Amino acid sequence: EIVLTQSPATLSLSPGERATLSCRASQSVSSYLAWYQQKPGQAPRLLIYDASNRATGIPARFSGSGSGTDFTLTISSLEPEDFAVYYCQQRSNWPPKWTFGQGTKVEIK
Amino acid sequence: QVQLVESGGGVVQPGGSLRLSCAASGFTFSSYGMHWVRQAPGKGLEWVAFIRYDGSNKYYADSVKGRFTISRDNSKNTLYLQMNSLRAEDTAVYYCAKDGIGAVAGPYFDYWGQGTLVTVSS
Repeated sequence: EIVLTQSPATLSLSPGERATLSCRASQSVSSYLAWYQQKPGQAPRLLIYDASNRATGIPARFSGSGSGTDFTLTISSLEPEDFAVYYCQQRSNWPPKWTFGQGTKVEIK
Repeated sequence: QVQLVESGGGVVQPGGSLRLSCAASGFTFSSYGMHWVRQAPGKGLEWVAFIRYDGSNKYYADSVKGRFTISRDNSKNTLYLQMNSLRAEDTAVYYCAKDGIGAVAGPYFDYWGQGTLVTVSS
């Protein structure tokens, strides 16, 4: 089973700062990695799919990069609404199973 | 616009059963695979089950295999999760989510419902 490890667990930053979130896979997932944002009391929202493609309606300040086992989500300049928990996610080939990282909380410093 | 609305959550005793529903609209439901994903209170996300667009293939997390059954009624645009032999550790918000690709089991979930809370407690 592929395990996704996110770091750091918590990121304390101020609005306007750059956020860099990491997701490492225990084995290669090619480019099949997605990122989600979740705010308290809300459902997760897809931000990035296939490692670097922004989902519909996602602002350009969100970007994803990486392939194989190491991936990064970057928020170029934090807006007040970006403080939330972020999860990475992958799907293994066979049997198909979908797994998430444990999450990174981006909090206001 | 895509809408997914879950229902059927509630409080159930250990060993009991519950059936969740997810009403879909705003897309061609019969063309997409669908998932259930859960989140225990204060915890992360856990994928639970997937069903292909036509119901021909189903996959489950090891934690629920043999106890939960995913199904769908394309004539009613509705997804279901039958949960039997419930345990305290099944307590969570259950989300239905649309597969991002379509006919095959895609690698991501592009739309999510707001979730329904299931509490397993005596």
